[in-house]
Amino acid sequence: DAGITQSPRYKITETGRQVTLMCHQTWSHSYMFWYRQDLGHGLRLIYYSAAADITDKGEVPDGYVVSRSKTENFPLTLESATRSQTSVYFCALSGGSGTGELFFGEGSRLTVL
Amino acid sequence: SQQGEEDPQALSIQEGENATMNCSYKTSINNLQWYRQNSGRGLVHLILIRSNEREKHSGRLRVTLDTSKKSSSLLITASRAADTASYFCATVTNTGNQFYFGTGTSLTVIP
Repeated sequence: DAGITQSPRYKITETGRQVTLMCHQTWSHSYMFWYRQDLGHGLRLIYYSAAADITDKGEVPDGYVVSRSKTENFPLTLESATRSQTSVYFCALSGGSGTGELFFGEGSRLTVL
Repeated sequence: SQQGEEDPQALSIQEGENATMNCSYKTSINNLQWYRQNSGRGLVHLILIRSNEREKHSGRLRVTLDTSKKSSSLLITASRAADTASYFCATVTNTGNQFYFGTGTSLTVIP
């Protein structure tokens, strides 16, 4: 049981195209997060969600859209991809109050040409 | 930025030696966590220390926290080649349930 699954694992797209990265959990953790990881910047929070239909911005939300209609899914959409959005994207989960351990997915490597 | 800073950025040691990495942060925290990331993989949680704790142990890991200096250290004792990875600290705020990660320390343990 993987618990948390990200798809696709690898994606190449062109500037201006819409891209959706999916995060799916088989647990019932309340909190879900999207991070991007870039050399020299570590991990930066894009958006997070405390529960279905509740989302909030992180450090770097511009150019991204999220939704959470179901507890188990937390898709991240780049409405018009730019080269600066080339990165590795990680989804993470946290249970309880959301301040405990984070469980990470394996990441989605996105290249925008 | 509210990110923490790890120091050093890179560390290379011989197997059996101890590895120490440090983390400094900027805001008041609920807790601080350390994570490990193997190349090409997701992060894995190692240990959590709450703001009212000063030291915590887990196996070969020892974490200290000094909230007055806004700093933490992670000590890995008797390192093994399998400990080769990047290590990140993450601070968790008292409000907003946001985790702020540092830029990481790349540890290489030479067999």
